Amino acid sequence: GENVEQHPSTLSVQEGDSAVIKCTYSDSASNYFPWYKQELGKRPQLIIDIRSNVGEKKDQRIAVTLNKTAKHFSLHITETQPEDSAVYFCAASTGVWDSNYQLIWGAGTKLIIKP
Amino acid sequence: DTEVTQTPKHLVMGMTNKKSLKCEQHMGHRAMYWYKQKAKKPPELMFVYSYEKLSINESVPSRFSPECPNSSLLNLHLHALQPEDSALYLCASSPRQGLQETQYFGPGTRLLVL
Repeated sequence: GENVEQHPSTLSVQEGDSAVIKCTYSDSASNYFPWYKQELGKRPQLIIDIRSNVGEKKDQRIAVTLNKTAKHFSLHITETQPEDSAVYFCAASTGVWDSNYQLIWGAGTKLIIKP
Repeated sequence: DTEVTQTPKHLVMGMTNKKSLKCEQHMGHRAMYWYKQKAKKPPELMFVYSYEKLSINESVPSRFSPECPNSSLLNLHLHALQPEDSALYLCASSPRQGLQETQYFGPGTRLLVL
């Protein structure tokens, strides 16, 4: 079945610098890759997603890149701010039929923005 | 209404109690999900309902019993839980199951089993 690995587990960056989180997946049929941000005590919130027919997507300071050949995708956050501090989860879709379609999640990255 | 709501926010129960968690959405979504999340871990899928029918049960113990009375409402009935079942229980919904659909999460119910 699908397996998603996420690195690093903890990332500490200076405010204003960029942060990059990487995920690899095993199922070549995966076609949807969301990123969720979860602040302490709160719900996971979708921050950006990418589908397999595009290689890159950007939304203001956040971008995601996808390399289907290598089976990896990355989250890029530029000009980091204190409010970016949170746990970030990547996920990849799996399932041949709609009835067994689900997300497989990475282990998470704790992002710390140092003032 | 663009939110998934969950009640209660917090729940403390003994191992012999019976309680229920409730999840509601009014976005017209036809797929609804229950996840369990332990501290510092990703959400772990428990159940998926698609068009009010159970489509995925991730081998969850029978002390957890899901119910989908209608397209807007999802319940999780709890009975004879164990202390290791203490966790954050998250509900999510998406327009459909599959088809690269985004899942939207509720705020969760923090459950403590004594």
